[in-house]
Amino acid sequence: GAVVSQHPSWVICKSGTSVKIECRSLDFQATTMFWYRQFPKQSLMLMATSNEGSKATYEQGVEKDKFLINHASLTLSTLTVTSAHPEDSSFYICSAQVINQPQHFGDGTRLSIL
Amino acid sequence: GESVGLHLPTLSVQEGDNSIINCAYSNSASDYFIWYKQESGKGPQFIIDIRSNMDKRQGQRVTVLLNKTVKHLSLQIAATQPGDSAVYFCAEQTGGGNKLTFGTGTQLKVEL
Repeated sequence: GAVVSQHPSWVICKSGTSVKIECRSLDFQATTMFWYRQFPKQSLMLMATSNEGSKATYEQGVEKDKFLINHASLTLSTLTVTSAHPEDSSFYICSAQVINQPQHFGDGTRLSIL
Repeated sequence: GESVGLHLPTLSVQEGDNSIINCAYSNSASDYFIWYKQESGKGPQFIIDIRSNMDKRQGQRVTVLLNKTVKHLSLQIAATQPGDSAVYFCAEQTGGGNKLTFGTGTQLKVEL
């Protein structure tokens, strides 16, 4: 149980392109979904917290107009990196949570901007 | 706060030995702690959790110890196997919220 699917797993695109990443909880309805960013050999850094039907809460220093989050249902959240540039290249990971339960993570999306 | 590091501490153990991975957490108000395992190119995988009203919790081959006095958390893995090779992160959650703050991580290498 508690499977979180993230798609795509790897994307390479040109600078200036917008990229959408999907996060789905497959066998449960998530109270909250989270988006993280991870650089090589570093820890996970929380970008934003998302609840279904409401605006995401962004961490300090994360540009909300750059990283658009849509949480349309209890099983789906999307992160769109708008007008991506090489410095946005990273490993993006989502997690989903039922209240008072641990967060369960997807397998991440490797984003490479050329 | 956030934990960022340029180098992952590494623990090397022989197959079959017990492993102990340590974590110092930052917030004395944290009341929920989780250990995650992250294999290369994948997302973190839940291993075991513990709440602040406990000081020990056991799972299958794993034990988590919590020392609130010194804000220290440890993960013990019994009879370490090659499949245990991964990066292990501790994460803390502060009461009233659901955000996790991750530690810097420890790379566990199991030698045959």
